[in-house]
Amino acid sequence: LAKTTQPISMDSYEGQEVNITCSHNNIATNDYITWYQQFPSQGPRFIIQGYKTKVTNEVASLFIPADRKSSTLSLPRVSLSDTAVYYCLVGYTGRRALTFGSGTRLQVQP
Amino acid sequence: GAGVSQSPSNKVTEKGKDVELRCDPISGHTALYWYRQSLGQGLEFLIYFQGNSAPDKSGLPSDRFSAERTGGSVSTLTIQRTQQEDSAVYLCASSLDRVQTNIQYFGAGTRLSVL
Repeated sequence: LAKTTQPISMDSYEGQEVNITCSHNNIATNDYITWYQQFPSQGPRFIIQGYKTKVTNEVASLFIPADRKSSTLSLPRVSLSDTAVYYCLVGYTGRRALTFGSGTRLQVQP
Repeated sequence: GAGVSQSPSNKVTEKGKDVELRCDPISGHTALYWYRQSLGQGLEFLIYFQGNSAPDKSGLPSDRFSAERTGGSVSTLTIQRTQQEDSAVYLCASSLDRVQTNIQYFGAGTRLSVL
């Protein structure tokens, strides 16, 4: 299983862009990179997924370099409501026990 | 329903009692996962069901934990002889396992407190 490494915590201010990087050095050819967001007292929620290059949706962007050994979740102009824990997952359907790491706790200040 | 439903949302029990936690996945989702999350920690994988295949039980912490999935839909996680260290939030997720990208949809969880 691809092991992921993320910063434990990050602080930001409202209106700033936040970039959270995840390292996954032993990513396999079939693995996709998926990011989830978790608010207190809720289950994780899917944010974005990618395989290579750049993916953008209404919530975030995901940047994946050519070697795919890392990925960066970019949150544009964060607000207080973006305060949450963000998890990076690497894997695909054929892998059963996808492992959620400890995630990155993002605190957005006013 | 539209999302993954878990019940009860909160469960308080006494040490040594058995508990059953229920998960209703999204209709049509063939894969179902159980996770455990202790306070302030990440998610710990417990068990995975995929269609009619034998479940992956590699994450169950002890033989006091078991789970079943009836008719490929509803799942029940059973903890026998509960211990205080079993106190945590138990999360269920489902996904369209036939899709390679395996996006998981989570319920709100069951908060278990063992006194």
